Amino acid sequence: SQKIEQNSEALNIQEGKTATLTCNYTNYSPAYLQWYRQDPGRGPVFLLLIRENEKEKRKERLKVTFDTTLKQSLFHITASQPADSATYLCAPRADSSYKLIFGSGTRLLVRP
Amino acid sequence: SAVISQKPSRDICQRGTSLTIQCQVDSQVTMMFWYRQQPGQSLTLIATANQGSEATYESGFVIDKFPISRPNLTFSTLTVSNMSPEDSSIYLCSVAFPGDTEAFFGQGTRLTVV
Repeated sequence: SQKIEQNSEALNIQEGKTATLTCNYTNYSPAYLQWYRQDPGRGPVFLLLIRENEKEKRKERLKVTFDTTLKQSLFHITASQPADSATYLCAPRADSSYKLIFGSGTRLLVRP
Repeated sequence: SAVISQKPSRDICQRGTSLTIQCQVDSQVTMMFWYRQQPGQSLTLIATANQGSEATYESGFVIDKFPISRPNLTFSTLTVSNMSPEDSSIYLCSVAFPGDTEAFFGQGTRLTVV
């Protein structure tokens, strides 16, 4: 069955450092992979989308990579800030379906 | 983009009762989805709300427990029936548009069953 795995343990880093979050998937061939941010008590908010034919995508301090051979996406936040503290969710999506299946999420804590 | 309003934002219900959650979108959308987020967990897709036809449920979810209505392209409801404490979760409505675009979420309904 399809499986999407993210680091289950919280990632605790110092302000200013780069945070790297991992998303691995199995039994899946997504056409796109999306990353979302979720704050407590709120719905997820879209951050970045990367297509299967793209290796890397950037948006301000955010960078996403997509390796379809390794079946993995990495999400980087450079120059991290305490305001980046949240749970980050990856969501691969097949081309033929609009529904999103989410990974377990990784909680990021950025210490001042 | 889309702005989604969910009601109620939270509720405390007695076991054995039912709660209907409403999801209103500010534009017509093709795809509407309902998710459940149990405490400390990620989002689990319950079903796709299809306009004019029965909802499509994911494995582990059934219509008798989670009936869904989709009377038009801007509105949907999810009912949590015959509730038990295990149904205590956040329920989220989501919409998506054709193409490689993002999904939008409501703020969620926090349900506590006592």
